[in-house]
Amino acid sequence: DVKVTQSSRYLVKRTGEKVFLECVQDMDHENMFWYRQDPGLGLRLIYFSYDVKMKEKGDIPEGYSVSREKKERFSLILESASTNQTSMYLCASSFGYSELFFGEGSRLTVL
Amino acid sequence: DQQVKQNSPSLSVQEGRISILNCDYTNSMFDYFLWYKKYPAEGPTFLISISSIKDKNEDGRFTVFLNKSAKHLSLHIVPSQPGDSAVYFCAASITGNQFYFGTGTSLTVIP
Repeated sequence: DVKVTQSSRYLVKRTGEKVFLECVQDMDHENMFWYRQDPGLGLRLIYFSYDVKMKEKGDIPEGYSVSREKKERFSLILESASTNQTSMYLCASSFGYSELFFGEGSRLTVL
Repeated sequence: DQQVKQNSPSLSVQEGRISILNCDYTNSMFDYFLWYKKYPAEGPTFLISISSIKDKNEDGRFTVFLNKSAKHLSLHIVPSQPGDSAVYFCAASITGNQFYFGTGTSLTVIP
């Protein structure tokens, strides 16, 4: 079974703090993605990566950056958290032309 | 602009009856369509997919129909069970790269 593990299920941060969300997958998938889910807006793509050290902007990259130093790990970074970044963050991976496998999500609250 | 739309935010169905969830898309280049199920505080789990070369795909109680001329996708669940109560997202992709998600439909199956 594919396993996508997100480091923190729940985080509470203060405005202006730097936030790291880590994601690790164990199936040697090439592709990794970060989404955020908000009520009424569905899942929106923040960033994705097709290979180590490669990254592509999704639909809503502003205020975020990513890092992929190893194939199995894809990190999402909020340089200076703001209250409008309070959301559920979902990491996913895929191999070639296949479905996305999601982690359990990280619920971030920015106060 | 939303390329994948789920116009019904919620749906209630009696146990044992059929649930029909609908999805519309605007981009005729989409060639791979998926349905995901999501429980609160968990990541989405893959349900069923369909390629644009097909118009129907079945997996147990779940059937996905694709009408390319209408740019319409639907998921049928029969018979519906209380455990099917969740939020359902449809997604579309071009060659399995970027995935575009709808806003979700919350299904409640009433015992």
